[in-house]
Amino acid sequence: EAAVTQSPRNKVTVTGGNVTLSCRQTNSHNYMYWYRQDTGHGLRLIHYSYGAGNLQIGDVPDGYKATRTTQEDFFLLLELASPSQTSLYFCASSDGTESFGPGTRLTVL
Amino acid sequence: GEQVEQLPSSLIVQEGASVLINCSYTDSASVYFPWYKQEPGKRLQFIIDIRSNMERKQTQRLTLLFDKKTKHLSLHITATQPGDSAIYFCSATGTGGYKVVFGSGTRLLVSP
Repeated sequence: EAAVTQSPRNKVTVTGGNVTLSCRQTNSHNYMYWYRQDTGHGLRLIHYSYGAGNLQIGDVPDGYKATRTTQEDFFLLLELASPSQTSLYFCASSDGTESFGPGTRLTVL
Repeated sequence: GEQVEQLPSSLIVQEGASVLINCSYTDSASVYFPWYKQEPGKRLQFIIDIRSNMERKQTQRLTLLFDKKTKHLSLHITATQPGDSAIYFCSATGTGGYKVVFGSGTRLLVSP
């Protein structure tokens, strides 16, 4: 059974919409990450966390909020979605080597 | 902050050929370098790693070389198979925490 799961797997919203992406890990890892993957840019770190209640700013945080409610659950929030946030989003957990989720494809029209 | 450059961006080879993927990084404080493979439509999966106190690591058909002086890594894949077709990512992590910086990826296509 997959140790990192994401939901939804696909999401379409409109400009200005409110979106929440969810991630759950059963690895008992302290660190969790949110990345976006865009052609030509590889994976870019949005936010990460080293435990429940903790949040660290990544390299491309603008327009995104995140919340780590438990060791298992990490959420990415887009409160006013824009077309530039159309991307493939990956969550990961880590104890040094990252274990990735299956990804969420988000389209902002 | 750390920057990781990965080249080439794409490779097309015949089955059985060997390939070389190169990465360079900027932050001398980076100490751990895992590599990942992403097959079409799939999640990234860890394939091999190396630490800054090592020069070489090999697993099956993968050999990872590390040059601390030049801040350069290279992944050598031998006897490629169509199943090796994927995007390969290098990454770098420092001692200060678990912030990981990825290269932009190398798309490998192995034709039968």
